[in-house]
Amino acid sequence: GAVVSQHPSRVICKSGTSVKIECRSLDFQATTMFWYRQFPKQSLMLMATSNEGSKATYEQGVEKDKFLINHASLTLSTLTVTSAHPEDSSFYICSARTSPSGEYFGAGTRLSVL
Amino acid sequence: GEDVEQSLFLSVREGDSSVINCTYTDSSSTYLYWYKQEPGAGLQLLTYIFSNMDMKQDQRLTVLLNKKDKHLSLRIADTQTGDSAIYFCAESAYGSSNTGKLIFGQGTTLQVKP
Repeated sequence: GAVVSQHPSRVICKSGTSVKIECRSLDFQATTMFWYRQFPKQSLMLMATSNEGSKATYEQGVEKDKFLINHASLTLSTLTVTSAHPEDSSFYICSARTSPSGEYFGAGTRLSVL
Repeated sequence: GEDVEQSLFLSVREGDSSVINCTYTDSSSTYLYWYKQEPGAGLQLLTYIFSNMDMKQDQRLTVLLNKKDKHLSLRIADTQTGDSAIYFCAESAYGSSNTGKLIFGQGTTLQVKP
């Protein structure tokens, strides 16, 4: 199956700093990638759809200026959590779609903001 | 709006069959998916079924779709301790105004006892 690499797997940062998370499709091109957030023992919440070469589409309630998304190429999307605060601590997961029948997920990034 | 519901917990003995159930509300769903998530990891696509199918079998996995009742199930035959994980049901509706994004259920925690 298709492989999606997400980096870093774990990050601990101080409040007020910015953190960048990378999502790469390793063996296929992805015009569309997705960013999710998952709270403990809960389902995935879609944050935004990342479109190569254009602006991301954010879900209702997600702050665009807080969660910056850049889809610079057909294999790379980045999520930057700006001025992170403890309430931003969460598990962030990206995914990429190869076809309607296949959306493949990265391993996730555990963000802890102190 | 779209909604996907799952029971939260299932416990079985090793070697038994597991059946995880899911209901959805969007009648325009075109693809339905089952994902597996192990602790601290991303989601692994297990299988999917197209909405014009009733059943799909892949080794130990059998997916049944009752489109009339909007009910989806995942049967795992000969369940092993390595199958212990959270299982997410998801649906997407290509061609609708939601641009085909995945809608996830809450996840079913499968516990396999030796």
